[in-house]
Amino acid sequence: GAGVSQSPRYKVAKRGQDVALRCDPISGHVSLFWYQQALGQGPEFLTYFQNEAQLDKSGLPSDRFFAERPEGSVSTLKIQRTQQEDSAVYLCASSPRLAASTDTQYFGPGTRLTVL
Amino acid sequence: AQSVSQHNHHVILSEAASLELGCNYSYGGTVNLFWYVQYPGQHLQLLLKYFSGDPLVKGIKGFEAEFIKSKFSFNLRKPSVQWSDTAEYFCAVNSAPTGGGNKLTFGTGTQLKVEL
Repeated sequence: GAGVSQSPRYKVAKRGQDVALRCDPISGHVSLFWYQQALGQGPEFLTYFQNEAQLDKSGLPSDRFFAERPEGSVSTLKIQRTQQEDSAVYLCASSPRLAASTDTQYFGPGTRLTVL
Repeated sequence: AQSVSQHNHHVILSEAASLELGCNYSYGGTVNLFWYVQYPGQHLQLLLKYFSGDPLVKGIKGFEAEFIKSKFSFNLRKPSVQWSDTAEYFCAVNSAPTGGGNKLTFGTGTQLKVEL
């Protein structure tokens, strides 16, 4: 079946612009994660949803970052007033069950954000 | 807080050479351990994972990893690499049991290049 999809794949923003990044998880997957991957680094956790509930947003770097998953499927990560340090690949992952730490997380291709 | 160290950032091997990539984590409790791989132009995908039982775990494409609790290590091995193994490899950990412990903490990755 279809995997996790993300759009856009590439986004260039001028500093100060707002951006919205979309994630379509695997159908039926309850858990959804956002990660940020800076150049030369591993992915770093941003936030976690179980269905529509955002249970952990401890990784969001500032209040300019906002995520939602209103109907428990598609999720959007919004970054307001983008800064150059926001340039990174933003990865979305989903897993099938509630709070199952042994579950495999299935990753999308990522959105590469470049802030000029 | 959890952390993951991958000591080898870049590894170059000839085809048929043996591979061992180091991964150490710091966390005092029970953990689940993962190796993910990212082939050029593709998304992150799971190679193998350990959460209980036999500490020697076999994954896809002939990879295996051994969990050594006393050393806080989960090294990845393959007896004979192929050119198609050229990729970036990430070790990751989350804590168990669940209840918010699903988020993965990744290492910085090891870029493997296999030469013909």
